[in-house]
Amino acid sequence: GQQVMQIPQYQHVQEGEDFTTYCNSSTTLSNIQWYKQRPGGHPVFLIQLVKSGEVKKQKRLTFQFGEAKKNSSLHITATQTTDVGTYFCAAADNTDKLIFGTGTRLQVFP
Amino acid sequence: SQTIHQWPATLVQPVGSPLSLECTVEGTSNPNLYWYRQAAGRGLQLLFYSVGIGQISSEVPQNLSASRPQDRQFILSSKKLLLSDSGFYLCAHNRQLAEAFFGQGTRLTVV
Repeated sequence: GQQVMQIPQYQHVQEGEDFTTYCNSSTTLSNIQWYKQRPGGHPVFLIQLVKSGEVKKQKRLTFQFGEAKKNSSLHITATQTTDVGTYFCAAADNTDKLIFGTGTRLQVFP
Repeated sequence: SQTIHQWPATLVQPVGSPLSLECTVEGTSNPNLYWYRQAAGRGLQLLFYSVGIGQISSEVPQNLSASRPQDRQFILSSKKLLLSDSGFYLCAHNRQLAEAFFGQGTRLTVV
C-alpha cells in the first residue's frame, strides 16, 4: 500500500533556529496535508496543498508541494517554544483513505 | 459546525478484559471514519477505516475489531485485551480528500 515517509524522525533546535521536515511518497499524490500534534494532544490540521509546486505560508511556517507531487516540506523560521510538537504530513491513497506520514518530533530549547 | 466526540479520555483495563471505545460525529453526514493507534512518541498507525454503515476496512491484523452501526458512530472493540494493546487511540473523520478532524483520544493502559 501507499507509504508516506518523513525525515527526520526527531529534531532538537535552539529557540530562534530554523526547522524543516520533509515528506516523501513513492507515488504521485493528489494532495498533501500537514498536521501538528502538541504533546499529549491530538493532531490538528494546519494546511492542504493541491497544486504542483505550490507554496503556502502561515506566519513563520512555509509549506511546499514538489513539482512532481511526490514530496512536500514544512519549514519553520525562527522557532519558538510554542512550536514544540510532532508534525505529520498526510495524503489520500487511491481509495481516498488518509495515510499519515511517520511524523517528525520537534523539541525547542529556550 | 463539525464536532467529534470520543470517550473515555483515559482507561486502565486488566489483561483479558473486553474493550469498547466509542466515537460519534456531529455536523456532517456520510463521513469517512478512522481509528488510529499511537504508541508513545511514535506515529499514527491506521487500524480501521470506514466509508459507510457496516463497511469496515481492517488495516492490520490484530486483536481489535471495529463496527459502524450508524452513519456517525464508530466503535472500537476487543474481546480480550493484551498488554500490547496499550496506546493512545484516536478517532478521526473527514470527507473525500478534505482535512481530517480528530477526537481528543483515549489513553488505554492494559495492566
